[in-house]
Amino acid sequence: DVKVTQSSRYLVKRTGEKVFLECVQDMDHENMFWYRQDPGLGLRLIYFSYDVKMKEKGDIPEGYSVSREKKERFSLILESASTNQTSMYLCASVPLWGYEQYFGPGTRLTVT
Amino acid sequence: GENVEQHPSTLSVQEGDSAVIKCTYSDSASNYFPWYKQELGKRPQLIIDIRSNVGEKKDQRIAVTLNKTAKHFSLHITETQPEDSAVYFCAASKLTNFGNEKLTFGTGTRLTIIP
Repeated sequence: DVKVTQSSRYLVKRTGEKVFLECVQDMDHENMFWYRQDPGLGLRLIYFSYDVKMKEKGDIPEGYSVSREKKERFSLILESASTNQTSMYLCASVPLWGYEQYFGPGTRLTVT
Repeated sequence: GENVEQHPSTLSVQEGDSAVIKCTYSDSASNYFPWYKQELGKRPQLIIDIRSNVGEKKDQRIAVTLNKTAKHFSLHITETQPEDSAVYFCAASKLTNFGNEKLTFGTGTRLTIIP
């Protein structure tokens, strides 16, 4: 059974803070993704990674960076949090040449 | 890039009736079309998908149809039950050079089943 976990369910940060969101999967999947989910906008891809130390920009990468030092862990970094980054953040993983995205439980981030 | 439009944004149906959600996509190179269901407070989960070489796929009470020429696909749920209440997302994708599917999601449909 695939398990994708995220470091926090709820997080409150102040404007300008550096924020780290962590995602860990235990199924040795090559591909990992970060999305943000906003009402009326669906899920939008921020970044994805297809291998350790490899990353690719998604559709809305501005204001975010990522890190993948180990295969099982994919981190999303907000260098200087802003109020418009208040959102639900979802991580997902997929095996190589696979198709089903296995999502984590999500982190609801509030930036005040 | 790909653009996926999804309608309606909200849908209420009587228990036992059918529900239909429609999506259109813009990139003719897209070849994989999954549907995800997200129950309240839970993570999205894949419920059905279809590839571009197939026109229809069915799994018990749910079915998906694809019209490649018109670039639209639809989710059909028959004999709806209260547990079908959720937000449904369509998506379109094509295989990237890195061996993965990069999904573009629709904006979601909140389906409510009225007992």
